Amino acid sequence: EVQLVQSGAEVKKPGESLKISCKGSGYSFTTNWIGWVRQMPGKGLEWVGIIFPSDSDIRYSPSIQGQLTISADKSISTAYLQWSSLKASDTAMYYCGRVGYSGYEFDNWGQGTLVTVSS
Amino acid sequence: QSALTQPASVSGSPGQSITISCTGTSSDVGGYNYVSWYQQHPGKAPKLMIYDVSHRPSGISNRFSGSKSGNTASLTISGLQAEDEADYYCSSYTSSSTRVFGGGTKLTVL
Repeated sequence: EVQLVQSGAEVKKPGESLKISCKGSGYSFTTNWIGWVRQMPGKGLEWVGIIFPSDSDIRYSPSIQGQLTISADKSISTAYLQWSSLKASDTAMYYCGRVGYSGYEFDNWGQGTLVTVSS
Repeated sequence: QSALTQPASVSGSPGQSITISCTGTSSDVGGYNYVSWYQQHPGKAPKLMIYDVSHRPSGISNRFSGSKSGNTASLTISGLQAEDEADYYCSSYTSSSTRVFGGGTKLTVL
């Protein structure tokens, strides 16, 4: 069974750094893209980006690129999303998702990580 | 890239059929057969319902079907059930090799 398990909720202050994780199991981590989706409070889903763990090829949403960084450590089947300097507007639920074998959809999702940025 | 356009809300009675539209451009929906649909219940992670315009993942009821015409994709739910009440999002591959979501549609089962 494919499982994506995300790290726990975070409460941070503006300007702080943060790295959240998504650990995959039940499949070969290097054969599927894996990515992140943002959902701000009360809002819709927003595609953040994806990474191919085998070679760390990355695609970012043009509207989000530069605000955060996606990475992966294939040795421990884990993808990451990190910020160097958080802003209040980064407050959101962040979901990770495995891209399915057709290559274009998220066929399995993590449980979500709530990031709250407040002074 | 702009979000795909979905109606904010749709509603239907149990047993009826409803259709949710998802309008994009020739750079996303119209250019590729890579539209997917997700169901999200409150407080839960999204769930894949349709991929590649009209394909259902294993375990998804055949009451859910997808189609596309030009720059508009559609999700149809037949035989509406109370458990179908949720938010629905479309997503498409784009010419920039990224993906884009629609704004979401709240389905109310009356």
